[in-house]
Amino acid sequence: GAVVSQHPSWVICKSGTSVKIECRSLDFQATTMFWYRQFPKQSLMLMATSNEGSKATYEQGVEKDKFLINHASLTLSTLTVTSAHPEDSSFYICSARDGSGNTGELFFGEGSRLTVL
Amino acid sequence: DAKTTQPPSMDCAEGRAANLPCNHSTISGNEYVYWYRQIHSQGPQYIIHGLKNNETNEMASLIITEDRKSSTLILPHATLRDTAVYYCIVRVAGSSNTGKLIFGQGTTLQVKP
Repeated sequence: GAVVSQHPSWVICKSGTSVKIECRSLDFQATTMFWYRQFPKQSLMLMATSNEGSKATYEQGVEKDKFLINHASLTLSTLTVTSAHPEDSSFYICSARDGSGNTGELFFGEGSRLTVL
Repeated sequence: DAKTTQPPSMDCAEGRAANLPCNHSTISGNEYVYWYRQIHSQGPQYIIHGLKNNETNEMASLIITEDRKSSTLILPHATLRDTAVYYCIVRVAGSSNTGKLIFGQGTTLQVKP
């Protein structure tokens, strides 16, 4: 299947700093990417939909000024957690939709684990 | 997108078939049934999907009932590496769909030696 890569795979930062996570589709173009957050022993929660060349669409309850999303190219979307706090510690996962297929399959990255001290 | 109901957990003996059920009684005619799994601390992995007919690939088989209100994912010969959380999701497919997947709680499959 198609490959989606995230970087970094894990990051530790101090409270109050900002952290950027990258999501790349390596062998296909993704006009749409999705960002999820997962807390321990919980399911994935959709945060936002990232559209190439336009503003992201955020799910209810997700602060757009807290979680900045940029989708500048067809193969790259970034999530920036601004002024991170310990409660933002989580597993962040992106997925990308291969628009070339008829059913538009979604492929997921390996995830990025954020720990805020 | 329609909601799904899955048992929270299941056990399976290594080498035996694992049958994971999913109820989706409110599924619409244009919604597909998708299965993903998530091994601990990794991103979800696509397994299989189907609309009406049963489907099989190198990983699993998907059996969808005639009324499409439920389905079963079958791992024919479970191995220890199949231990994971399995998610059944229904969504509209195709280029007109936004494509987002809404995850439920899934079924934690524990394959035991």
